Amino acid sequence: QKEVEQDPGPLSVPEGAIVSLNCTYSNSAFQYFMWYRQYSRKGPELLMYTYSSGNKEDGRFTAQVDKSSKYISLFIRDSQPSDSATYLCAMRSNYQLIWGAGTKLIIKP
Amino acid sequence: NAGVTQTPKFRVLKTGQSMTLLCAQDMNHEYMYWYRQDPGMGLRLIHYSVGEGTTAKGEVPDGYNVSRLKKQNFLLGLESAAPSQTSVYFCASSWAYNQPQHFGDGTRLSIL
Repeated sequence: QKEVEQDPGPLSVPEGAIVSLNCTYSNSAFQYFMWYRQYSRKGPELLMYTYSSGNKEDGRFTAQVDKSSKYISLFIRDSQPSDSATYLCAMRSNYQLIWGAGTKLIIKP
Repeated sequence: NAGVTQTPKFRVLKTGQSMTLLCAQDMNHEYMYWYRQDPGMGLRLIHYSVGEGTTAKGEVPDGYNVSRLKKQNFLLGLESAAPSQTSVYFCASSWAYNQPQHFGDGTRLSIL
């Protein structure tokens, strides 16, 4: 079993919809949680970085962490075709950073 | 405002050949990392460096070597390429171990 599980998708939704992307993890020592966005043939770029349980909002993006359930989510409001990309979750305990395999998101105009 | 630059962007090698991938960052970051990305497997850490002149093994170091002679550069070497090393290689850098990593756009490497 992988330490971080992420549905590979693809997840296809119409423009304007609310998107929910999720990761589950097994290591309760994870303390820092990140979401990266990766466009085709590009490197990952940081979207959200959270430490504690709860919600963090940045524009159309909201990151949610539930440590008791070992579950993190990224919500995208008013989704745009430019949001079409692969979304990677990553989490850290001390020096170790573990990545999910990524969810491919397609926003249909 | 280059950030992290990787060269080359694409390369095809024959089994047994050697090559070096170059990563350069202009953000004065102490930490640098080499990852490989394969379908369905996520990013896996090959080697990393916590400062000039230092390197350490990551999750999948076998078959690779690295060097960090200058703070801004981190080199990844393949001494004898194998088909299993066909992958997309990403370099990243960060201020500290617990700070977000900044990535280059990758090197696509095929070993025939």
